[in-house]
Amino acid sequence: ILNVEQSPQSLHVQEGDSTNFTCSFPSSNFYALHWYRWETAKSPEALFVMTLNGDEKKKGRISATLNTKEGYSYLYIKGSQPEDSATYLCALRSVYNQGGKLIFGQGTELSVKP
Amino acid sequence: EADIYQTPRYLVIGTGKKITLECSQTMGHDKMYWYQQDPGMELHLIHYSYGVNSTEKGDLSSESTVSRIRTEHFPLTLESARPSHTSQYLCASSLTGTGPNDGYTFGSGTRLTVV
Repeated sequence: ILNVEQSPQSLHVQEGDSTNFTCSFPSSNFYALHWYRWETAKSPEALFVMTLNGDEKKKGRISATLNTKEGYSYLYIKGSQPEDSATYLCALRSVYNQGGKLIFGQGTELSVKP
Repeated sequence: EADIYQTPRYLVIGTGKKITLECSQTMGHDKMYWYQQDPGMELHLIHYSYGVNSTEKGDLSSESTVSRIRTEHFPLTLESARPSHTSQYLCASSLTGTGPNDGYTFGSGTRLTVV
């Protein structure tokens, strides 16, 4: 069974702080990496899809980088706001199962205090 | 506006009852998935379907069953609920799942408590 690890499990920051968290995966299995944001009582929402080594994607104050050789992706939030409070999930699509299933990490729960 | 609907959002039910969690999508997606998440744990795939009349068990063993009689509908059934089934159940769909960029659209989840 493939293992996708996220760290830290939870993070508490003040409004205005910048923060980052990590998603690690087996590099030999990499096909694509997906990031989702999951707010309480809502559906997980797609943030980024990362496919190429060295990829950097940006959406407003949130950005992500990818290193497929060493098997990790970083998600950065610049100047965190209370509305950024959510669980951030990463999910691996394996090269051996390109046809569907995503394998999820346990998520990083971010809480931003005003 | 949700394109994938899960009902109910919350369910508290007694041990031994039969329950069906509903999941419907209006996007014409071929592939649908059920994930289970216990508190503080990752989402685990319990069932998936690649199309009508296709269902497969996922990576995590589950006593639940699923059916896919119509493209848009993928209900999950527990014949006899037990406290160990208490969890969050999340339904998702994807268009084809064959490309790296083809991600999931999720429902809002069903939080099940069996007492």
